[in-house]
Amino acid sequence: EVQLVESGGGLVQPGGSLRLSCAASGFTFSDHYMDWVRQAPGKGLEWVGRIRNKANSYTTEYAASVKGRFTISRDDSKNSLYLQMNSLKTEDTAVYYCAKSGGYQAFDYWGQGTLVTVSS
Amino acid sequence: DIQMTQSPSTLSASVGDRVTITCRASQSISNRLAWYQQKPGKAPKLLIYKASSLESGVPSRFSGSGSGTEFTLTISSLQPDDFATYYCQQYNSYPITFGQGTRLEIK
Repeated sequence: EVQLVESGGGLVQPGGSLRLSCAASGFTFSDHYMDWVRQAPGKGLEWVGRIRNKANSYTTEYAASVKGRFTISRDDSKNSLYLQMNSLKTEDTAVYYCAKSGGYQAFDYWGQGTLVTVSS
Repeated sequence: DIQMTQSPSTLSASVGDRVTITCRASQSISNRLAWYQQKPGKAPKLLIYKASSLESGVPSRFSGSGSGTEFTLTISSLQPDDFATYYCQQYNSYPITFGQGTRLEIK
């Protein structure tokens, strides 16, 4: 059974940093692209960014709203995905989901999400 | 960026109804479109990928169609479990973008 479990969310002050983790199981993690998607309270889904697999040199893509502040990384030996968030703003407040990209690059599995609140 | 526009934003319907949700892309995305269902407090669930391919385990009352810039999600006979919010998503180019969502509510 595929499982994605996010952790690391919490309350942080504007300008602060936070690192989210996503533990994956039930599939060959190293084969797949992985994504982060967020959802502000009461709002729609916003794609945050993607990391490709080793075969594609672990390259990354980011939404303009987070580029230069957020960094996505992965550790295939630990079946884990990470999101390092720096220079956080109040508008980064959201539930953050990790998602697995399937064969056609739609997101076929999602974690349960972790809430990040940026507030003073 | 490719803008995805869903209509309607809210849809009221009854159990047994046939409903259709439309998603329009601001430029052609071929068939690189997915549909997701989300219930309150839960993660989205993939329903349709490649515009018309049904994800494994998803009931056959869900279907998708379209290519280029116009797409539809149809539920042939609404069931109580289907009342949720639906999102389209394009993955043809970066940044990946979602529609604003369609809330399907009970009439």
